[in-house]
Amino acid sequence: DIQLTQSPSFLSASVGDRVTITCRASQGIASYLLWSQQKPGRPPKLLIYAASTLQSGVPSRFSGSGSGTEFTLTINSLQPEDFATYYCQQLNNFPPSFGQGTKLEIK
Amino acid sequence: QVQLQQSGPGLVQPSQTLSLTCAISGDSVSSNSAAWYWIRQSPSRGLEWLGRTYYRSKWYTDYAVSVRGRMTMNPDTSKNQFSLQLTSVTPGDTAVYYCARVHSGIYYDSWGQGTLVTVSS
Repeated sequence: DIQLTQSPSFLSASVGDRVTITCRASQGIASYLLWSQQKPGRPPKLLIYAASTLQSGVPSRFSGSGSGTEFTLTINSLQPEDFATYYCQQLNNFPPSFGQGTKLEIK
Repeated sequence: QVQLQQSGPGLVQPSQTLSLTCAISGDSVSSNSAAWYWIRQSPSRGLEWLGRTYYRSKWYTDYAVSVRGRMTMNPDTSKNQFSLQLTSVTPGDTAVYYCARVHSGIYYDSWGQGTLVTVSS
């Protein structure tokens, strides 16, 4: 099974900051990585698929990169609505798996 | 636009069966490009994939090792929905349960609203 490990687990930042979240896979998964955002009481919302492709409607301040075992999600110029929990996920290797999440909080 | 509407009880007694349904609009449960998933989320386990069902000339269903033997997913083509049944539940099965669609094996693009299921007497 593919284990996904995110770092950090918690991140404190201010509006306007640039932040980066890392996801490491226990085995190579090529570019088959997703990033999602979750707010309390809501299901996860897809931000990026195939490691770097922005889902339609997602602001361009979100970007993803990486392949193999190391991936990053970058948010430029944080907005108030970006404070949430972010998850990496993989679907290509069975069984599907999720990272443990990174909670982004307002400093 | 695909929408998923979940229904089912929020409270289940220990040792009983948890049953949830996910009604689909905007797509067909028999779609050849979609797969239908159940996922749960709890503070202790995080997001946990439970199972999936999909149609590719015939029906396929897979379950996570953690629930195999206790979980059943059933597609219902007459009602365009799919269900989850989890038997012999314990308090450890308390979680928010989500149904979701995976498009072309690439990404989760639609989610149900989530159902908080509490296992308690």
